[in-house]
Amino acid sequence: GENVEQHPSTLSVQEGDSAVIKCTYSDSASNYFPWYKQELGKGPQLIIDIRSNVGEKKDQRIAVTLNKTAKHFSLHITETQPEDSAVYFCAASISGNQFYFGTGTSLTVIP
Amino acid sequence: GAVVSQHPSWVICKSGTSVKIECRSLDFQATTMFWYRQFPKQSLMLMATSNEGSKATYEQGVEKDKFLINHASLTLSTLTVTSAHPEDSSFYICSARPDRGTIGYTFGSGTRLTVV
Repeated sequence: GENVEQHPSTLSVQEGDSAVIKCTYSDSASNYFPWYKQELGKGPQLIIDIRSNVGEKKDQRIAVTLNKTAKHFSLHITETQPEDSAVYFCAASISGNQFYFGTGTSLTVIP
Repeated sequence: GAVVSQHPSWVICKSGTSVKIECRSLDFQATTMFWYRQFPKQSLMLMATSNEGSKATYEQGVEKDKFLINHASLTLSTLTVTSAHPEDSSFYICSARPDRGTIGYTFGSGTRLTVV
């Protein structure tokens, strides 16, 4: 089955700096890659997603890149703010039928 | 957008009792819903796939008799933790995807179960 690895497990950045979280996947059939933000005691919230026919997608301060050949995708957060502090999960899916999650990255933005 | 309501958000129960957690899709129909379990500082672990009108599909290692799933309608799935024990204490999260439209999943807000 699919194996998703996520790095780093923890990440601290100064407010205003950028944060990058990377994930790799093993199944070349995976074609949908969402990113979720989870705040303490809450369920994950979808923040951005990308499909395999696109190499990059951007939504304001958040962007995701996908390299199908290398089987890795990354989340980029620019101009980080304290409210960006949370745990971020990547996931890989084949047409949304089943999702495989990464192990999560705890992001801390230091004011 | 798609909204999934999960209830209760936090429940404390005594060992040996059963607890029911509800997952509702508020503005869409979902033939399939998923139940996850999450331990502190860990990722989401898929427990089972809930299918409307049929039996749930459980992941390996998940006891179906302990975690009863009922998906009686296109907008409601329930997870019942039977004869709960302290080791069942965890954060339970459901998710659902609209039958039509986006392939993305929406997660509920989660239920923190504490068994004492």
